[in-house]
Amino acid sequence: DAKTTQPNSMESNEEEPVHLPCNHSTISGTDYIHWYRQLPSQGPEYVIHGLTSNVNNRMASLAIAEDRKSSTLILHRATLRDAAVYYCILRVFIIQGAQKLVFGQGTRLTINP
Amino acid sequence: DTGVSQDPRHKITKRGQNVTFRCDPISEHNRLYWYRQTLGQGPEFLTYFQNEAQLEKSRLLSDRFSAERPKGSFSTLEIQRTEQGDSAMYLCASSAGQVSTDTQYFGPGTRLTVL
Repeated sequence: DAKTTQPNSMESNEEEPVHLPCNHSTISGTDYIHWYRQLPSQGPEYVIHGLTSNVNNRMASLAIAEDRKSSTLILHRATLRDAAVYYCILRVFIIQGAQKLVFGQGTRLTINP
Repeated sequence: DTGVSQDPRHKITKRGQNVTFRCDPISEHNRLYWYRQTLGQGPEFLTYFQNEAQLEKSRLLSDRFSAERPKGSFSTLEIQRTEQGDSAMYLCASSAGQVSTDTQYFGPGTRLTVL
């Protein structure tokens, strides 16, 4: 399976932007890039996804490199509630139009007040 | 929309016992997935259902594991003769979108501890 690589941990301050990097050098042309986040004892929560172009939604922005071998999740103004483990994920095709999520190790984001 | 629900949230069992977990997907989601997450790791794909058909199984799903989705609604995951290595969080997700927009929504998980 294609693989993603992320820093184990990052730290930022409240109300500042956060840039979470991810490398996925073995990505194939049909793989989507997804980001989820997870709080302790909860299931992963969808954040954003994209294929080739940069994407924005109310939670975050996703910047995808032109060669698609890396991406960056951007939280524009971090709050304490954004503290979580952030997973950079490749959504890969399995069968009959369905896909599975291939998770990396995740980045533990700490937000300082 | 009540989201994906899973039952039980926690299960403690002794080695060798059988356990069964249930997942109720978001209503009308035809795709259902099971993942397993061990401590400190990201979730790993176990199996996939499209409606009632189980179409894909991971190598991680040994013959002690069986999953069903009767009538294409809820799903169950059974582990027979549990081993300590089965201790993990078992996550269920569902989705229903087109390829470009398909998003998997996860339940809260069932945490299994095998003593």
